Amino acid sequence: DAKTTQPPSMDCAEGRAANLPCNHSTISGNEYVYWYRQIHSQGPQYIIHGLKNNETNEMASLIITEDRKSSTLILPHATLRDTAVYYCIVIVTGTASKLTFGTGTRLQVTL
Amino acid sequence: DSGVTQTPKHLITATGQRVTLRCSPRSGDLSVYWYQQSLDQGLQFLIQYYNGEERAKGNILERFSAQQFPDLHSELNLSSLELGDSALYFCASSVDPSGMRNTIYFGEGSWLTVV
Repeated sequence: DAKTTQPPSMDCAEGRAANLPCNHSTISGNEYVYWYRQIHSQGPQYIIHGLKNNETNEMASLIITEDRKSSTLILPHATLRDTAVYYCIVIVTGTASKLTFGTGTRLQVTL
Repeated sequence: DSGVTQTPKHLITATGQRVTLRCSPRSGDLSVYWYQQSLDQGLQFLIQYYNGEERAKGNILERFSAQQFPDLHSELNLSSLELGDSALYFCASSVDPSGMRNTIYFGEGSWLTVV
């Protein structure tokens, strides 16, 4: 599975968009990009996933570059409750047992 | 609320003891996963069951075992506990065995402290 690189931490003002980058330059053609988040000591929460097209749901948007070597998770209007560690994971579909979480990005949303 | 239920939420026990952690998956989910999260290791996959059968194994110690029952709930048994086993143990579930056509949903975890 491709490795991912994320900044260790980011700050965002409440009400502003939070843009969380992820680098996955070794991604293969059959690997998806998944985003999860973990609010302090709670279970990881699924946010969104995509293969090559941009995706949007009620929680966030996922922008994947054309070469698929990087992606950005966008929380359009961050709130204090979005403060969490965000994990970008690249994985081949059908291999959920290999879902491994790295160190992620700690997003701090402030007033 | 993900729909995955774990008990107990907190557990303190002594070294050498044995404990059982319980997980009820979301209604309709056939696949159950166990993860361990400790401060220095991050979230580590332990084992997966699908419809009662072991599906995949991760870095699970021989002192640990798991099973999934006919009603689909699962138990993780931890024996001969050591201080280093202190961690947050998560259960997750999904509908399909791959967990990727449908997403994986995590429970709130069981805090185990070994003293």
